[in-house]
Amino acid sequence: SAVISQKPSRDICQRGTSLTIQCQVDSQVTMMFWYRQQPGQSLTLIATANQGSEATYESGFVIDKFPISRPNLTFSTLTVSNMSPEDSSIYLCSVGRANEKLFFGSGTQLSVL
Amino acid sequence: AQKITQTQPGMFVQEKEAVTLDCTYDTSDQSYGLFWYKQPSSGEMIFLIYQGSYDEQNATEGRYSLNFQKARKSANLVISASQLGDSAMYFCAMRGSGGSNYKLTFGKGTLLTVNP
Repeated sequence: SAVISQKPSRDICQRGTSLTIQCQVDSQVTMMFWYRQQPGQSLTLIATANQGSEATYESGFVIDKFPISRPNLTFSTLTVSNMSPEDSSIYLCSVGRANEKLFFGSGTQLSVL
Repeated sequence: AQKITQTQPGMFVQEKEAVTLDCTYDTSDQSYGLFWYKQPSSGEMIFLIYQGSYDEQNATEGRYSLNFQKARKSANLVISASQLGDSAMYFCAMRGSGGSNYKLTFGKGTLLTVNP
């Protein structure tokens, strides 16, 4: 299984600020995903981070609010922009290859005051 | 569209006993994958077990086994010999085929509590 490092593990941020979350994998992976888990809820896919091209966003998520970078096959970042208390969630990156198991990073617990 | 249903918001089990967590799914894909993840209070998502739709045998990983009944579209997780450390949230998830091959659709989860 891939070793996935996600930083920061948790943060408390002020309203109106932005936070960038990093996801580093120990091997090249085809696809990287970003999920959000709001308090007491299940996981919802935000976007697919595509290497060398713009991320593919799911319905309800936009690039201006959640810009994503994928400079190479082992690294991606998700930025949560202009934060409000409604953005308080766990954010998780996920990686995988075709027809293989999908693994998650340890998650980032974000609280917005 | 894919859908995962977990009908048990919470389950209780005595330590050392077995427990079954239910999961049913709905998809029009012929090829798909089913996953179970464990989420302790720390928030990380821990991969437990995977079953491919064309796998003829039920998947097993240590104390975890997946009771896969394709005709009934169910993929229940069985945990044998429960331990106190098994107390956590458990999510069933599905991955489709084609363009959605990597995307996971999650159920709402089941909170498992193991009593001593």
